Amino acid sequence: SQTIHQWPATLVQPVGSPLSLECTVEGTSNPNLYWYRQAAGRGLQLLFYSVGIGQISSEVPQNLSASRPQDRQFILSSKKLLLSDSGFYLCAQKQTGARTNEQFFGPGTRLTVL
Amino acid sequence: GDSVTQMEGPVTLSEEAFLTINCTYTATGYPSLFWYVQYPGEGLQLLLKATKADDKGSNKGFEATYRKETTSFHLEKGSVQVSDSAVYFCALRDDYKLSFGAGTTVTVRA
Repeated sequence: SQTIHQWPATLVQPVGSPLSLECTVEGTSNPNLYWYRQAAGRGLQLLFYSVGIGQISSEVPQNLSASRPQDRQFILSSKKLLLSDSGFYLCAQKQTGARTNEQFFGPGTRLTVL
Repeated sequence: GDSVTQMEGPVTLSEEAFLTINCTYTATGYPSLFWYVQYPGEGLQLLLKATKADDKGSNKGFEATYRKETTSFHLEKGSVQVSDSAVYFCALRDDYKLSFGAGTTVTVRA
């Protein structure tokens, strides 16, 4: 079965510090991977998606970036965090070529920027 | 691009009340439609889905019917429980990705 791991679960960082959030998936190969952000009291915003190693599509211009160094690893980064980067970050995956289109979500990382 | 609009919350109900959360979509084709649920402090879980017109998705007592004529996918449950308190998201498949509604917070009181 598919499993999505996100690390860390909770993070408190000062403004201007760097960020690295990691997402790894198990039980599937060549998945489509996604990073979403859920700000307090708001819905989900798609940040990045990737259909393969080294292939990243950005949905929203911002000070965040994503990388996919391995098939089952998706990393969200920032060089300098802003207060507005606070939120709940969710990684999701969809199996490529699957007949069903649903995405499976990881447990999330709660980021607070102070 | 394709998008979904869902009713704004928050919604507060008593146990055993009937719940409806409206969701309408805008799409050029016939996308797959989903309802996801987020329990407090957790990530999102797929609640139910429908892949074509007139399909009815159901799970845990929740139901939603894909209505092409009204471009809707309303979520319903006949008798809610306290454990149904959560944020509910309507979503549609838009090419490689899902487009989500803003989410509706539902609180069920005992």
